[in-house]
Amino acid sequence: KAGVTQTPRYLIKTRGQQVTLSCSPISGHRSVSWYQQTPGQGLQFLFEYFSETQRNKGNFPGRFSGRQFSNSRSEMNVSTLELGDSALYLCASSLGLAGALNTEAFFGQGTRLTVV
Amino acid sequence: KQEVAQIPAALSVPEGENLVLNCSFTDSAIYNLQWFRQDPGKGLTSLLLIQSSQREQTSGRLNASLDKSSGRSTLYIAASQPGDSATYLCAVRPVSGGNKLVFGAGTILRVKS
Repeated sequence: KAGVTQTPRYLIKTRGQQVTLSCSPISGHRSVSWYQQTPGQGLQFLFEYFSETQRNKGNFPGRFSGRQFSNSRSEMNVSTLELGDSALYLCASSLGLAGALNTEAFFGQGTRLTVV
Repeated sequence: KQEVAQIPAALSVPEGENLVLNCSFTDSAIYNLQWFRQDPGKGLTSLLLIQSSQREQTSGRLNASLDKSSGRSTLYIAASQPGDSATYLCAVRPVSGGNKLVFGAGTILRVKS
């Protein structure tokens, strides 16, 4: 059974550009969450999608956005990149909704974004 | 606002030792707590998930306990090995947050051979 797949693994962008990251969850999982990991702030929650609907959003500026497709694959977009957006972006998939027993989160390998 | 703390921040032990990593959280209204390990530059690997109604979970040499009322969890690693060297992260799933996880800063573990 394939795990969570994130593409690309590495990305270098210039300030002001925009970037799109992709996440394919484990087959059958309908919940996808995104996290940003930096040395200074640790792991910070960005947003969560379930059945194509955004269920929850973290405290990030509107430059960070996401969406989920009918096959549960998700993308996140960052516009007008800043140096501080350099981070490891991690995607997690879960089978069910919070409150159910099947909410164990499984993470992908991440996308390392460097903004220069 | 839910906050998670992990102690110690770093730990270095000789191979074969048993060790305990600690995690505390400020709000007991959680669905569950999950322990992860992260190798440098990699994603997170799920180790154990404890539901809020459970007291402990075991997997191989790992045992995690949860005391929801006091806001504490411990991860016990028996007979540590150099391959256990990694960062260990504790995360809680708040009742108010959907599937959102709130993470601690992690404990960096080094097991010396």
